[in-house]
Amino acid sequence: SQKIEQNSEALNIQEGKTATLTCNYTNYSPAYLQWYRQDPGRGPVFLLLIRENEKEKRKERLKVTFDTTLKQSLFHITASQPADSATYLCALDMGSNYQLIWGAGTKLIIKP
Amino acid sequence: GAVVSQHPSRVICKSGTSVKIECRSLDFQATTMFWYRQFPKKSLMLMATSNEGSKATYEQGVEKDKFLINHASLTLSTLTVTSAHPEDSSFYICSASAGGRYSNQPQHFGDGTRLSIL
Repeated sequence: SQKIEQNSEALNIQEGKTATLTCNYTNYSPAYLQWYRQDPGRGPVFLLLIRENEKEKRKERLKVTFDTTLKQSLFHITASQPADSATYLCALDMGSNYQLIWGAGTKLIIKP
Repeated sequence: GAVVSQHPSRVICKSGTSVKIECRSLDFQATTMFWYRQFPKKSLMLMATSNEGSKATYEQGVEKDKFLINHASLTLSTLTVTSAHPEDSSFYICSASAGGRYSNQPQHFGDGTRLSIL
């Protein structure tokens, strides 16, 4: 069965640097891959969606890449700020007739 | 846009009580609503999917009679935890989508309900 892995350890980054989070999956490539942000005690907030045939997607300081050969998506935050501190979740959308498969998330801490 | 309101945010009640949680899409019509349960440092666990006017689709292992879902309109879905017990204590989150159950449309989440059963 499809498995999704996100680094379970917290990622500590100095303010101003680029933070890079990893989402790895096994087996078949998803049709779409989504990234969400979740703050403590809150629901996730949708950030970006990237399609299987897209290599890269950008939104302001955010960038997502999708490498079907490596079975990996990378989520980048450039010029990171303390306000970017949160848990970031990736979710695989295998296409029609399948529900989203969620990762457990990676906690990002941006130090001032 | 795409705001989802979930209420209440926190519930503390005695064992045996039934608890109702509401999920509303405020500025869009939600074709599909999802109910999740989340444990600390764990991924979201989908409990059920509901479409307006039809019966909810429950995931394997989720008791239909325990977790009653009603999706009465395109903007409102409710989850009722019947005769709640301490093991039902958890963080429950709803989400809404303008797409179908298997759509690539992003999901818009409520802020969750922290349920504590004494």
